[in-house]
Formats: sequence, C-alpha cells, structure tokens
Amino acid sequence: DAKTTQPNSMESNEEEPVHLPCNHSTISGTDYIHWYRQLPSQGPEYVIHGLTSNVNNRMASLAIAEDRKSSTLILHRATLRDAAVYYCIPSDETSGSRLTFGEGTQLTVNP
Amino acid sequence: NAGVTQTPKFQVLKTGQSMTLQCAQDMNHEYMSWYRQDPGMGLRLIHYSVGAGITDQGEVPNGYNVSRSTTEDFPLRLLSAAPSQTSVYFCASSYEVGESEQFFGPGTRLTVL
Repeated sequence: DAKTTQPNSMESNEEEPVHLPCNHSTISGTDYIHWYRQLPSQGPEYVIHGLTSNVNNRMASLAIAEDRKSSTLILHRATLRDAAVYYCIPSDETSGSRLTFGEGTQLTVNP
Repeated sequence: NAGVTQTPKFQVLKTGQSMTLQCAQDMNHEYMSWYRQDPGMGLRLIHYSVGAGITDQGEVPNGYNVSRSTTEDFPLRLLSAAPSQTSVYFCASSYEVGESEQFFGPGTRLTVL
C-alpha cells in the first residue's frame, strides 16, 4: 500500500474554503485516491475518490496533481458539521475494498 | 433502508469472556468487513467477506472469528476477550469488492477489564 502523509490538524472558519492536502509519493499507477471522513463518535463516511482527473461531487472536490504524488480535498464552504478527521487512502484493485487508514487530519471549523 | 446496523452500542467484558458483535446491512451488499479503532488512531482491518460463505483475514485477525452465512449478516466473535481488545469496532459494507464507496456502521465500543 502507498504511504500517505497528512497534516495532523488544520483549522478553518465557517463559510470559508478548506484545502486538505495529502502526499502519496509511492502511489502506483492503478491506485485510486479515496477520501473518507469521520465525525465525532461516528463511523467513517465516504467523501470522494479519483484516479487522475479532478473530481467534484455534492460534498467536495478532489484535485489530483499531474504526477499523482499528491492530492487536495477541497471543501468549498466549510460548515460546523464538516469538523471531522479526514483520511486520504490510496487503494488499487489488488487490495479490493481493503482500506488502510492512517491517522488523518483533524479539521476544526470555527464559527 | 436502515443501512449498516451494529449491536450492541456499548459492551463491557471481563478477561476471558466471549461474545459476538452483530453487524447487519439491508442494502444487498456483497462485501462486508470489520475494523477496530484504538484511541487516536486510524481504523485497522480485522476480517472481511466478499460474499456469503467467503471470509478472509485482514491486518489484525488474531483473537477474532467471523462467518458469513447470509448476505445480510456478518458477526464478529471474540473467543476469549483480552484487555488489548478494548477498542471501538466498526462494520462496513459495499455493493461489491472494489466499490469505492463503503458504508460504515455506528460502531460498538468494547471495554475488556
């Protein structure tokens, strides 16, 4: 599995954009990049995933570097409900659905 | 749909006791898995199943058994509880293997004294 590096914590203000970085320099060519988040006292929740192109969904956007060694999860307007631990998880077909969680980034959103 | 449900929400055991953590999903998902999460850490995979009758070990399988007799249910059995198994346990499911979006249950908080 590719190793990931994420900041331990980040802070944002409500209604401002948030850019959560992830380095995955050992990523293989077939690894998708998944992002999950975990709200306090809850199970993880899928956010978004991508392979090479930037991706958007109703929750967030995912920007993937051209060399795929890093990616950035973008929350366009942070809300208090977005306060969570965010996990960046590379995963390929050989690992099936087995997810390897690191320690993630604790996002604090200030009102 | 109820999604992924787990019971119980909380459990306290004494060392050496056995118990079963229940996990069920009503989404007709083929893939199910169990993770544990220790304080301040990410989740670690215990066991997983790609379909009824098929199970396999994850990263930390020792001390745990699983079975998958139906598509809906994937119970996790602790054979002889140890304090090192104090953790929060999460069950997850997805439509099929390799599906990117997995659905997690609310977790079972287990304390072993």
